[in-house]
Amino acid sequence: GAGVSQSPSNKVTEKGKDVELRCDPISGHTALYWYRQSLGQGLEFLIYFQGNSAPDKSGLPSDRFSAERTGGSVSTLTIQRTQQEDSAVYLCASSPSTEAFFGQGTRLTVV
Amino acid sequence: SQQGEEDPQALSIQEGENATMNCSYKTSINNLQWYRQNSGRGLVHLILIRSNEREKHSGRLRVTLDTSKKSSSLLITASRAADTASYFCATDEGGSYIPTFGRGTSLIVHP
Repeated sequence: GAGVSQSPSNKVTEKGKDVELRCDPISGHTALYWYRQSLGQGLEFLIYFQGNSAPDKSGLPSDRFSAERTGGSVSTLTIQRTQQEDSAVYLCASSPSTEAFFGQGTRLTVV
Repeated sequence: SQQGEEDPQALSIQEGENATMNCSYKTSINNLQWYRQNSGRGLVHLILIRSNEREKHSGRLRVTLDTSKKSSSLLITASRAADTASYFCATDEGGSYIPTFGRGTSLIVHP
């Protein structure tokens, strides 16, 4: 598997519950990004990891959102106390330099 | 904030025709990338053009960049039904390592 892998591909959760979304980047890629995309919209930047540097969290919409990247590889995006407006496709991408390689995303539906 | 803005928002053409999409941006860039998205899931990188380049070709794709007008265009020649997708431009806003995406152009190619 040479591509970026995201799991689960679909997630339905009840309002108020916490969810964890996982991203397995391409091996050796130092940069990792999380974006979200609401229906028919563009990509909204959430968070950026680069090597061992402190992540750029400037895109996180609220303190209910957090992410970590363990060992410079796998990343987990956590959304606490989910709200209906959190419903979107969450996309992860990794990059060795400039070109970003995207996973297929996790479609999150909050009911 | 969205740096790149694609135009038109939607484009419908017949197979065999050429499709042209435009992207405008606001601040200086080092490079501009075009991506394609099928069915609202993962994005696929198409082509990267650097700020010191004016035109690049890849197969049926032709990208131009006019830094004086802060705009780029993507031309798909001899379109096919399989080209039906959304196309996004992404810029490195002010030299940031975080690609900033526009809202995309939805292209439909009728067989």
